[in-house]
Amino acid sequence: AQSVTQPDIHITVSEGASLELRCNYSYGATPYLFWYVQSPGQGLQLLLKYFSGDTLVQGIKGFEAEFKRSQSSFNLRKPSVHWSDAAEYFCAVNNNDMRFGAGTRLTVKP
Amino acid sequence: GAGVSQSPSNKVTEKGKDVELRCDPISGHTALYWYRQSLGQGLEFLIYFQGNSAPDKSGLPSDRFSAERTGGSVSTLTIQRTQQEDSAVYLCASSLAGGLGADTQYFGPGTRLTVL
Repeated sequence: AQSVTQPDIHITVSEGASLELRCNYSYGATPYLFWYVQSPGQGLQLLLKYFSGDTLVQGIKGFEAEFKRSQSSFNLRKPSVHWSDAAEYFCAVNNNDMRFGAGTRLTVKP
Repeated sequence: GAGVSQSPSNKVTEKGKDVELRCDPISGHTALYWYRQSLGQGLEFLIYFQGNSAPDKSGLPSDRFSAERTGGSVSTLTIQRTQQEDSAVYLCASSLAGGLGADTQYFGPGTRLTVL
């Protein structure tokens, strides 16, 4: 079955530390890949998306993600986390329909 | 407005009552989506409208759920005879063209539904 997996339910990092949020998908072909962020009380905001071409994509707020076909992964990274990055992060894939992962909640320690 | 809007932002209802949730998509967007986000869960697809085509209702959890989109713009999600397990945040999104692949979905702030 087609699925999107975010293995980490909750991650805590210190402010200024690097961050990597994992996302794996199982689809027959390369789908379109997205990362969204949901801040408390806010709607989902698109961070970045991958369609084709360069497998390292840059997004807003200093985030980037790398598509690795061999690993069916699309992990989100940020070199230095800010307190304002505390939020819920959702990976999504679109292969005829949009499927979201269960989300990873990020807590940032001062 | 500039973004997707939803109303009400919060709705508290009693078990067995009907509720209507409204979504105003971004002007010019032909595709509209409804999702449900339960506590601690990801987004669950409910229904998708694309232009004048018949909607994709494959995600609706039961026949108590229905949705319509009037004039290709505003959409209403109706839940009849609400149950406590319907309590969730209902999110609406719109996109320019919809369909396969690359189209970015823009989300509204959601309606938090609580069924007592």
